[in-house]
Amino acid sequence: AQSVSQHNHHVILSEAASLELGCNYSYGGTVNLFWYVQYPGQHLQLLLKYFSGDPLVKGIKGFEAEFIKSKFSFNLRKPSVQWSDTAEYFCAVSAGGGADGLTFGKGTHLIIQP
Amino acid sequence: DAGVTQSPTHLIKTRGQHVTLRCSPISGHKSVSWYQQVLGQGPQFIFQYYEKEERGRGNFPDRFSARQFPNYSSELNVNALLLGDSALYLCASSVWDGNTEAFFGQGTRLTVV
Repeated sequence: AQSVSQHNHHVILSEAASLELGCNYSYGGTVNLFWYVQYPGQHLQLLLKYFSGDPLVKGIKGFEAEFIKSKFSFNLRKPSVQWSDTAEYFCAVSAGGGADGLTFGKGTHLIIQP
Repeated sequence: DAGVTQSPTHLIKTRGQHVTLRCSPISGHKSVSWYQQVLGQGPQFIFQYYEKEERGRGNFPDRFSARQFPNYSSELNVNALLLGDSALYLCASSVWDGNTEAFFGQGTRLTVV
């Protein structure tokens, strides 16, 4: 079974700082990778996804992530964060045919200070 | 466009009771998945249904069951509730049951006392 590890459980940054959230997964086969965000009081929303092709994927709100197969990693980045980026961020993996759903990491609570 | 809708939003039950949670997927989506999110953790996969058939099941006891109806809505049932079942239960819908984007609802907050 696959697993997902998010290294930073709590991150505090100032506005305009650069962001990188780490995500590593364990699965030997083909995977699809996702980053979801949960703003306070809102439902989980998809930030970006990787299925195949260019390993550098761009998502909404200026976020991007890079799939490095050799490192089993899918780190999330944003060059300049805003106060509105305060949220919980989850990395997720689906493997095989996808019938086993998404496997999520424990999440990273990001706080942006104005 | 209506997103994934779940009902009820909040629920309080007593240990040993039974609970039914409901989910309506996005129009045109034929697959529904259920997840349990305990405070401080990421969502954990419970079931996936597609075209009314169970396609995947996570590591949850048999007290958990689900079904999908002809209109693609779904119910999650939990019997003999335990305190540890207290969690946010999330429903996600997707167009099909393979590797595709899942859209999540707001969830049902279940508290077992």
